[in-house]
Amino acid sequence: DQQVKQNSPSLSVQEGRISILNCDYTNSMFDYFLWYKKYPAEGPTFLISISSIKDKNEDGRFTVFLNKSAKHLSLHIVPSQPGDSAVYFCAAQKDQAGTALIFGKGTTLSVSS
Amino acid sequence: EPEVTQTPSHQVTQMGQEVILRCVPISNHLYFYWYRQILGQKVEFLVSFYNNEISEKSEIFDDQFSVERPDGSNFTLKIRSTKLEDSAMYFCASSSLVQFQETQYFGPGTRLLVL
Repeated sequence: DQQVKQNSPSLSVQEGRISILNCDYTNSMFDYFLWYKKYPAEGPTFLISISSIKDKNEDGRFTVFLNKSAKHLSLHIVPSQPGDSAVYFCAAQKDQAGTALIFGKGTTLSVSS
Repeated sequence: EPEVTQTPSHQVTQMGQEVILRCVPISNHLYFYWYRQILGQKVEFLVSFYNNEISEKSEIFDDQFSVERPDGSNFTLKIRSTKLEDSAMYFCASSSLVQFQETQYFGPGTRLLVL
């Protein structure tokens, strides 16, 4: 069962424009959400996170939005840069340290110059 | 910047052999994890470890798998008798609580190929 879903396998964006990556989840016990970026043959790199008590978190060019009622979150990257081209994973965790991250299948972002 | 390290980067083994994957978590972290990613699939949780005990494990983490923190710095994953389907990238992660929130940081992975 897919508790975390990223329905778009790929996204292509021009440099300087906004990239919007979407993620849906089904488990209402999830309390903490994270986005990771991954290059081939490397481990996931933490980008940004959001707690369920917030609806927005911003860090530089990256903003994550959480809509708890819709069980939906999105990552906005603006402006997009060619170096942002990678696979982006959404992950969710229950509110308890030491528990599993449940990952989506990822979205491959390609930013063209 | 501190980072999680893993050795070896690649491991090729014969089916039925034992393998040990090694990780050095970030030094002040208290929680340790193993995940795996089979080619073309998503990253899957295997096990979490805290205070020298398993905190949580997935269905994948059966009796063939074990984890250990043999000293103050290393964290290992042992697969007792490897199967073809164990071929995957294995990622170690570590974390600590900061202001009641926890972020897991991942190592670069070990690519395991079982022949």
